[in-house]
Amino acid sequence: KNEVEQSPQNLTAQEGEFITINCSYSVGISALHWLQQHPGGGIVSLFMLSSGKKKHGRLIATINIQEKHSSLHITASHPRDSAVYICAVRSRNKLIFGTGTLLAVQP
Amino acid sequence: EAGVVQSPRYKIIEKKQPVAFWCNPISGHNTLYWYRQNLGQGPELLIRYENEEAVDDSQLPKDRFSAERLKGVDSTLKIQPAELGDSAVYLCASSLPGAGETQYFGPGTRLLVL
Repeated sequence: KNEVEQSPQNLTAQEGEFITINCSYSVGISALHWLQQHPGGGIVSLFMLSSGKKKHGRLIATINIQEKHSSLHITASHPRDSAVYICAVRSRNKLIFGTGTLLAVQP
Repeated sequence: EAGVVQSPRYKIIEKKQPVAFWCNPISGHNTLYWYRQNLGQGPELLIRYENEEAVDDSQLPKDRFSAERLKGVDSTLKIQPAELGDSAVYLCASSLPGAGETQYFGPGTRLLVL
């Protein structure tokens, strides 16, 4: 069993829909990252969380330390949001990555 | 401010050939990471440097992979000889020292071994 699990693995949405991507982990962490990777592109860091909630534009990230769970929400989704979203946790000075969620937003 | 720079962006080689990737981290970032990302999977840490010292290379396949960061700035990752299974994206990232610091990723080098 992976130490960091993401769901869903694949997600197709219509433009304008509210999207939620989930991340669950089984190890003790000091921080959790949400990353975005476009096809053929490098990885962009979206958020780093250790508690609570962060918002940037249409993106919202939350974390529940007790439940070892984080969610990434995209409001008013747009085709340019199509990418792979990766959850990564920092545990014992090492980053452990989830397998990613492939999001496709159709116009 | 310039981000993490990697070169080349793409590399195609035949198996058994050597290959090297280069990374220039963000100025002032003492910590440097090399990751390998296979298709459909998340990145996997290969090696982490604090300045010129490799502090975590437990996941580096040492029979064919080597890395160096001689002056604590640029780094090179080498594979010799390459195998078909080495085809992947090799990502370099850098950060300020300390746990919990945000890592900044380069664009990666996409390697295809034929």
